[in-house]
Amino acid sequence: EAGVAQSPRYKIIEKRQSVAFWCNPISGHATLYWYQQILGQGPKLLIQFQNNGVVDDSQLPKDRFSAERLKGVDSTLKIQPAKLEDSAVYLCASTHLGLYEQYFGPGTRLTVT
Amino acid sequence: QKEVEQNSGPLSVPEGAIASLNCTYSDRGSQSFFWYRQYSGKSPELIMSIYSNGDKEDGRFTAQLNKASQYVSLLIRDSQPSDSATYLCAVNINAGNNRKLIWGLGTSLAVNP
Repeated sequence: EAGVAQSPRYKIIEKRQSVAFWCNPISGHATLYWYQQILGQGPKLLIQFQNNGVVDDSQLPKDRFSAERLKGVDSTLKIQPAKLEDSAVYLCASTHLGLYEQYFGPGTRLTVT
Repeated sequence: QKEVEQNSGPLSVPEGAIASLNCTYSDRGSQSFFWYRQYSGKSPELIMSIYSNGDKEDGRFTAQLNKASQYVSLLIRDSQPSDSATYLCAVNINAGNNRKLIWGLGTSLAVNP
């Protein structure tokens, strides 16, 4: 079974630029999560999808972050415009509907200069 | 505010010793508990899940759960240098149809040869 795929693995941008991350979950996993992880901290949930609907986006900075999962499979997370404090690892995870065990992709390390 | 607390460490143990990692949680309704291992520069990897009071063993790893005390722990027997990583505790919360995990900040473990 293929794992969660993410791209790109690394991205360096200047502040005020935009960036997009892509995630393809494990086949058959209905629930998809985007997390932000700052060095030395646990993952912070940004947004949770169930199929193509948003279940929780309470911690998503909606003035600059957006995410979509149009066909209920892969997902994109966008930041526009980026700030220095957005430098972090962005993790995508997925799980079967109704379960809690989450499986993570390799992450995208974003550096904003 | 539902919380998961872990000692940040670093916890340092000699090779061959038992490493004990602890986690407390605030939501008495939580039913599912997970330990993830995260190597430096990598994404979290699920290593143990536990749902019932008592012990659950898997190889060198034992998870212990005490719901009355709202406490979950991870024991690593015969610690190896390859066990050096950050260990994240995650606990479920239920909010209607929203099934998600609350994460601790992680405990850094160093196993010294």
